[in-house]
Amino acid sequence: DQQVKQNSPSLSVQEGRISILNCDYTNSMFDYFLWYKKYPAEGPTFLISISSIKDKNEDGRFTVFLNKSAKHLSLHIVPSQPGDSAVYFCAARAQYSSASKIIFGSGTRLSIRP
Amino acid sequence: GAVVSQHPSRVICKSGTSVKIECRSLDFQATTMFWYRQFPKQSLMLMATSNEGSKATYEQGVEKDKFLINHASLTLSTLTVTSAHPEDSSFYICSASNRRTNGYTFGSGTRLTVV
Repeated sequence: DQQVKQNSPSLSVQEGRISILNCDYTNSMFDYFLWYKKYPAEGPTFLISISSIKDKNEDGRFTVFLNKSAKHLSLHIVPSQPGDSAVYFCAARAQYSSASKIIFGSGTRLSIRP
Repeated sequence: GAVVSQHPSRVICKSGTSVKIECRSLDFQATTMFWYRQFPKQSLMLMATSNEGSKATYEQGVEKDKFLINHASLTLSTLTVTSAHPEDSSFYICSASNRRTNGYTFGSGTRLTVV
């Protein structure tokens, strides 16, 4: 049972445009969500997170939106840059504690074309 | 910032041998360490959660006798793949919880190839 889903395995966006990566979850107990960026043969790098008490969190070019009623979140990157090309993972956890495990989605490979 | 050092980055071993992977938190205390496995083009699958000084909690379907986890100190956790088989070939990643930031810091991963 996949609790965190990223239905788009890949996405291609032109440099300078907005990249929108989507994520859906099924477990209503999740109350904290994270986005990670990953390059091949490396560990994930934290990008941005959002608590369930918010519907938006912004950090520079990255904004995460949370729609609790739809159990959906999205990551917006604007403007997209070539260095953004990587695999992006959505993750969620059920308790507001770093001692709690996080569950990852399957990832979306973002390619930024010139 | 918080750093987790994971070694080795790559290892090739023969079937039947054991391999140990180490993760060290360099500038913070990791009371909880998570071990993940990633197959090519797939997600990071949580294998187990370990708390310092206690036994690890394994996810369903993960053999605890095959994947031995030791978290003897607040800065070191190890994963030992025992009696390795070719199907154990994968990318293994550790993640340390950081109470100071309420976040997670990942190691750089270990590519294990069993021949």
